[in-house]
Amino acid sequence: DAMVIQNPRYQVTQFGKPVTLSCSQTLNHNVMYWYQQKSSQAPKLLFHYYDKDFNNEADTPDNFQSRRPNTSFCFLDIRSPGLGDAAMYLCATSRDVAGGQETQYFGPGTRLLVL
Amino acid sequence: AQSVAQPEDQVNVAEGNPLTVKCTYSVSGNPYLFWYVQYPNRGLQFLLKYITGDNLVKGSYGFEAEFNKSQTSFHLKKPSALVSDSALYFCAVRPYILTGGGNKLTFGTGTQLKVEL
Repeated sequence: DAMVIQNPRYQVTQFGKPVTLSCSQTLNHNVMYWYQQKSSQAPKLLFHYYDKDFNNEADTPDNFQSRRPNTSFCFLDIRSPGLGDAAMYLCATSRDVAGGQETQYFGPGTRLLVL
Repeated sequence: AQSVAQPEDQVNVAEGNPLTVKCTYSVSGNPYLFWYVQYPNRGLQFLLKYITGDNLVKGSYGFEAEFNKSQTSFHLKKPSALVSDSALYFCAVRPYILTGGGNKLTFGTGTQLKVEL
């Protein structure tokens, strides 16, 4: 089945130790997104890739970076995790066509714990 | 700027009874409206969306939603609730855009649905 896969599902890191979360998709969608979700709040968009074009949200901290080496994979790098970065990180994908009616499909998420 | 309001943090309903989860929106131009469900420690699962046409949209797991343009609402409904429907529900909106550039959604704050025996 076509899907969005996130690894690992749970990640424990130490304060200040860089960590990378990964996302892959078999949907062949050209847009990939990273969201941060805390405590059952609404997901907060960090950034997205439209093909290879990177689009950062204005309020995303510099501590968060992303890479998309090819269509299928996208990575979220947290350079120096703080305690406030503990959250669920959600990857999503969509096709993008004029009009914007395409559905975003989410992966299962990676729960990050910072010690 | 677009926005979504889910006025109820939690909705409680007995199994077998109908359920409604409310959503109102604000957007310039024509809206595209979505409902997602999230089970504990899982990602968001797509339930249904309104694009155009019939105001009553049918989706997964027996859910449906009614688009009401005059009231700017898109309430989620199910005729007979199940205990397994207990989860966190998010409404989201995106306005019609002319060109590509990412499908940025604005989410509501979520409504926790609790279905009890």
